Amino acid sequence: EVQLLESGGGLVQPGGSLRLSCVGSGYTFDTSAMSWVRQAPGKGLEWVSAISGSGYSSYFGDSVKGRFTTSRDNSKNTLYLQMNSLRAEDTAIYFCAKEDSRIVGNNRMDYWGQGTLVTVSS
Amino acid sequence: QSALTQPASVSGSPGQSITISCTGTSSDVGVYNYVSWYQKHPGEAPKLVIHDVTTRPSGVSNRFSGSKSGNTASLTISGLQAEDEADYYCSSFTSSSLYVFGTGTKVTVL
Repeated sequence: EVQLLESGGGLVQPGGSLRLSCVGSGYTFDTSAMSWVRQAPGKGLEWVSAISGSGYSSYFGDSVKGRFTTSRDNSKNTLYLQMNSLRAEDTAIYFCAKEDSRIVGNNRMDYWGQGTLVTVSS
Repeated sequence: QSALTQPASVSGSPGQSITISCTGTSSDVGVYNYVSWYQKHPGEAPKLVIHDVTTRPSGVSNRFSGSKSGNTASLTISGLQAEDEADYYCSSFTSSSLYVFGTGTKVTVL
């Protein structure tokens, strides 16, 4: 059974940093590209970033470009999202999602984690 | 990259069919067939119900179907059931930033 488990969320002050993790199990981790998607309170889904199965290619949404980075350690079946210069508008539940292809771009997020809450507030 | 446009809400009685629209541009929905639909119940993870405009993943009810015409994609739920009450989001590949989601549609079963 495919499972994705996010962690690392919490309360952080504006301008601060946080690193989220997502551990995958039940499949061969490096055969799937991964995405981060967030949902602010009372709002819709927003795609944040994606990374290829190898980790060599990564992409970011305009609202986080230059502040967030994503990486993966395939030996640990773990995906990361490093969030810097956090703003109040980054407050959201952050979901990791598995894509059904090694490469990024087919927009088929077939499994999702339950999410981790990030709150940016002073 | 602006979000794809969906109606805020759609409702129907049990057994009826409803259709949710998703309007994009010639940079996303209009030129790529990488359009997906996700069902999200409150407090749960999103679930993929349609990908590549019309394809249902294994295990998804055949009451869900997708289509596209020009810059607008659509999700139809036939034989509406109480369990279909949820938020639905479309998503597309886009030439500008990779992926974009729709604004979301709340489906209510009357």
